[in-house]
Amino acid sequence: DAMVIQNPRYQVTQFGKPVTLSCSQTLNHNVMYWYQQKSSQAPKLLFHYYDKDFNNEADTPDNFQSRRPNTSFCFLDIRSPGLGDAAMYLCASSSGGRTGANVLTFGAGSRLTVL
Amino acid sequence: GQNIDQPTEMTATEGAIVQINCTYQTSGFNGLFWYQQHAGEAPTFLSYNVLDGLEEKGRFSSFLSRSKGYSYLLLKELQMKDSASYLCAVTDSNYQLIWGAGTKLIIKP
Repeated sequence: DAMVIQNPRYQVTQFGKPVTLSCSQTLNHNVMYWYQQKSSQAPKLLFHYYDKDFNNEADTPDNFQSRRPNTSFCFLDIRSPGLGDAAMYLCASSSGGRTGANVLTFGAGSRLTVL
Repeated sequence: GQNIDQPTEMTATEGAIVQINCTYQTSGFNGLFWYQQHAGEAPTFLSYNVLDGLEEKGRFSSFLSRSKGYSYLLLKELQMKDSASYLCAVTDSNYQLIWGAGTKLIIKP
């Protein structure tokens, strides 16, 4: 089945120790997104790729970086995690197009714990 | 600013009907989504409305009134597996997706 796969599902790290989360999609979607979601809050968009075009949200901290080496894969790097970065990180993809009907397909998420 | 308002939590009984409301103030409108999110899992797409009126999909229906900036998700014949958070999201004039914080729905036997 075509899907969005995130690894790892659970990541525990120490304060300041870099973390990389990965995402792959077999849907052949040209747009990929990284969201941060804290408990009982709306998902917060960190950045998205429209094809190779990288779009960083204005309020995404510099501590968060991303790479998209090819259409199928996307990585989220957190260079120096703080306690406030503990959250669920959701990767999503869509078929793109500047349209309102852009349905996002999400991965199962990576839950980050910072000790 | 842009804003999506939904109740934080609702409780309903198995077999009953529940309506989850969403109001929005956004810069432009290009459609409204409802997603379901079970605890600890990713959101999954439920419905999309861009024109006024009711869209029905089995036990779930979604309604939109653009003039009122209002939508609701109607769930019929509630089942225990419907216990989840329901997220309302609006695509604005720049095709940015604005998310609500979600409504946690608790189903009791």
